[in-house]
Amino acid sequence: DVKVTQSSRYLVKRTGEKVFLECVQDMDHENMFWYRQDPGLGLRLIYFSYDVKMKEKGDIPEGYSVSREKKERFSLILESASTNQTSMYLCASGRQIYGYTFGSGTRLTVV
Amino acid sequence: KNEVEQSPQNLTAQEGEFITINCSYSVGISALHWLQQHPGGGIVSLFMLSSGKKKHGRLIATINIQEKHSSLHITASHPRDSAVYICAVRSNTGNQFYFGTGTSLTVIP
Repeated sequence: DVKVTQSSRYLVKRTGEKVFLECVQDMDHENMFWYRQDPGLGLRLIYFSYDVKMKEKGDIPEGYSVSREKKERFSLILESASTNQTSMYLCASGRQIYGYTFGSGTRLTVV
Repeated sequence: KNEVEQSPQNLTAQEGEFITINCSYSVGISALHWLQQHPGGGIVSLFMLSSGKKKHGRLIATINIQEKHSSLHITASHPRDSAVYICAVRSNTGNQFYFGTGTSLTVIP
């Protein structure tokens, strides 16, 4: 079974802190994604990557950056966390023609 | 304006009922996904469709490309089917993904 592992299940950070959310997949997938999920807004794509060192902006990239130095790892970075970035963050990975596998999510609270 | 619309938003069913969740989209797509999210947050990809119909156990997904519409059916529903079901499409231009806001299903024993 494909595994997508997110480093933390729950995270509490202070406003202004730099936050790293890590995602690792074990099936050599080309595509990796970061989403946030908020009540009433559903899933929204922040960034995705289709290869090492490649990245594309999604719908809501402002306030975020990403890093993909190795194929199996896709990191989401909040340069200076703000309270409006309190959310559930979900990572996913997959190939072009198959479905995607999601991680179990990181619930981030910025205080 | 939402590129993906789901209906209904909330659905309560008795165990054993046949359930249909609908998804309409307004963009050209390369694929449509049905996702299932259980309480606690974990998301599972149920189906990826680009045409026709797929079946997995009691779940059936269909898509009509001309009408830009997909349905997810659950036969003989069970309380463990209670979850949020999300429709998502990948556009055929620009690698964009669009998501519906989900259908919250509760199946009562």
